[in-house]
Amino acid sequence: GAVVSQHPSWVICKSGTSVKIECRSLDFQATTMFWYRQFPKQSLMLMATSNEGSKATYEQGVEKDKFLINHASLTLSTLTVTSAHPEDSSFYICSARNAGHVDQPQHFGDGTRLSIL
Amino acid sequence: RKEVEQDPGPFNVPEGATVAFNCTYSNSASQSFFWYRQDCRKEPKLLMSVYSSGNEDGRFTAQLNRASQYISLLIRDSKLSDSATYLCVVNADSSYKLIFGSGTRLLVRP
Repeated sequence: GAVVSQHPSWVICKSGTSVKIECRSLDFQATTMFWYRQFPKQSLMLMATSNEGSKATYEQGVEKDKFLINHASLTLSTLTVTSAHPEDSSFYICSARNAGHVDQPQHFGDGTRLSIL
Repeated sequence: RKEVEQDPGPFNVPEGATVAFNCTYSNSASQSFFWYRQDCRKEPKLLMSVYSSGNEDGRFTAQLNRASQYISLLIRDSKLSDSATYLCVVNADSSYKLIFGSGTRLLVRP
């Protein structure tokens, strides 16, 4: 069964709305979670590394004030897309690393398809 | 230059065919290597890790050449269900960050 739950799976909203996406590790504690974005016909691009109890580390070119990440507990990280615009429409995927699973580098959530009108 | 490069394909092959995908990576300090499979509009799923000695899992064989910074995946006896995008993935450093290639699309036809 799924070990990482991502919610919601699909969001459609108006331009200017802020959207929060949750990523939960279901049966393990994840001190590190990752947020990716995937545009059509492109690969996953790492946006940021979410660290429990500390600030997220953003990749070059990703606006930290635009994409707010909170990793308040060992099982939950949230990504908030603030004042979303049509160009933010994408497939957002989170992953979590389970230190106890050496053969599985990261467990991925099902992804959130975000459409901004 | 992209950190992880793959031929985008698509590879269109008949059932039962053998198909090979290649991937190169730019960071010689990369530590771990994987092949993931991604179906349309789904999250990527780990297919197999890639070890220096080469490894096999059923119809799938992965090989790594560190000197050439080259990774390969061989699929034998292709099935219709193998149709997907195959992502070459590299873990470049101790931070556990994964760098994804753009993927190679495989279409297996009846």
